[in-house]
Amino acid sequence: GENVEQHPSTLSVQEGDSAVIKCTYSDSASNYFPWYKQELGKRPQLIIDIRSNVGEKKDQRIAVTLNKTAKHFSLHITETQPEDSAVYFCAEGTGANNLFFGTGTRLTVIP
Amino acid sequence: NAGVTQTPKFQVLKTGQSMTLQCAQDMNHEYMSWYRQDPGMGLRLIHYSVGAGITDQGEVPNGYNVSRSTTEDFPLRLLSAAPSQTSVYFCASSTNWGVEQFFGPGTRLTVL
Repeated sequence: GENVEQHPSTLSVQEGDSAVIKCTYSDSASNYFPWYKQELGKRPQLIIDIRSNVGEKKDQRIAVTLNKTAKHFSLHITETQPEDSAVYFCAEGTGANNLFFGTGTRLTVIP
Repeated sequence: NAGVTQTPKFQVLKTGQSMTLQCAQDMNHEYMSWYRQDPGMGLRLIHYSVGAGITDQGEVPNGYNVSRSTTEDFPLRLLSAAPSQTSVYFCASSTNWGVEQFFGPGTRLTVL
């Protein structure tokens, strides 16, 4: 899928609050949905991913939910900490190394 | 392991010049990719390779060539640089499709 919309573009939360970032896609054949975190001046790093046969996946304070019917997936960060401040990218793909990335969400956690 | 390495870190070119961005990985990964990152546009796939001798185009391949003669190396060539190619370029590798991609540190390219 070539159309991945990511919202919001910027997000500020108080430390300890939750943050939610949402992505929508258009290709019903998409079956892989990773989330990458990129700190300022650094390379993107995978934080969590989910496949189309799973509706939710959790890893400590981070969770991803997938609604294939509605074609959207979301990243949830609970108990946010200042070190969670970064740009987060969603992505989706159907195979053969073709991943389409969202435009990113700049998350700021205010101490 | 060094992981994914890229050279150079910074480069300034004049319009029309050519150059090669180097990418190497020592993890024996079959899959390698090149992305460009522009402000407000996320990461866009330029070219990718699923193994030595095999390459294919991504989302924005025009103006770029690649080759994959070995598993370790995946250079990206700009034949005639244009200002529109000013960007940060990331190389990435993975064991397969649909698993974690490991990114290199990036090359910041400016074309004047």
